[in-house]
Amino acid sequence: DAKTTQPNSMESNEEEPVHLPCNHSTISGTDYIHWYRQLPSQGPEYVIHGLTSNVNNRMASLAIAEDRKSSTLILHRATLRDAAVYYCILSIINYQLIWGAGTKLIIKP
Amino acid sequence: GAGVSQSPRYKVTKRGQDVTLRCDPISSHATLYWYQQALGQGPEFLTYFNYEAQPDKSGLPSDRFSAERPEGSISTLTIQRTEQRDSAMYRCASSLAPGGQETQYFGPGTRLLVL
Repeated sequence: DAKTTQPNSMESNEEEPVHLPCNHSTISGTDYIHWYRQLPSQGPEYVIHGLTSNVNNRMASLAIAEDRKSSTLILHRATLRDAAVYYCILSIINYQLIWGAGTKLIIKP
Repeated sequence: GAGVSQSPRYKVTKRGQDVTLRCDPISSHATLYWYQQALGQGPEFLTYFNYEAQPDKSGLPSDRFSAERPEGSISTLTIQRTEQRDSAMYRCASSLAPGGQETQYFGPGTRLLVL
């Protein structure tokens, strides 16, 4: 199964940009790259997804490497409400999302 | 409905009892997923439905676990003869259609505690 590798935790200051890295060296050509986040005591929440091109939405941007073996989730201006566990996930052929342990993002005021 | 709902939110049961968890997906969504989430871990796939069909149940840990979606809307996850290791958060998600590009919308989860 295609897997992802993320740092266990990251810290950032409030109001500053945050770059969350993800490695997925075994990605296949049909795998989408998804990012979800999970706030404390809540269910996972969709953030963004992409296939080959960089993507932007109101929550974040997703930068995908040209070889697709890595990607970066960018929060342009982190707030305290962005403190969560961020999961980088590949969707595989039978539509499962294989979740890792994610990156715990700590925002310092 | 407006979002995915699950019931009950909390369930405490004794070892050996059967439990049934319910998921009510977003009404227009064809696809429904069940996950198990241990504390401090990401969700682990159990099974999914496309309408009433269940194409993949490879994640179900044992034959004590079963799921149904008989009319292609509400789904139930049943655990027979519960064991303490079954204690976890059980999450349901739905998406508009099956497909790797589809967004999954998660419910609040059912926390199961087996004593």
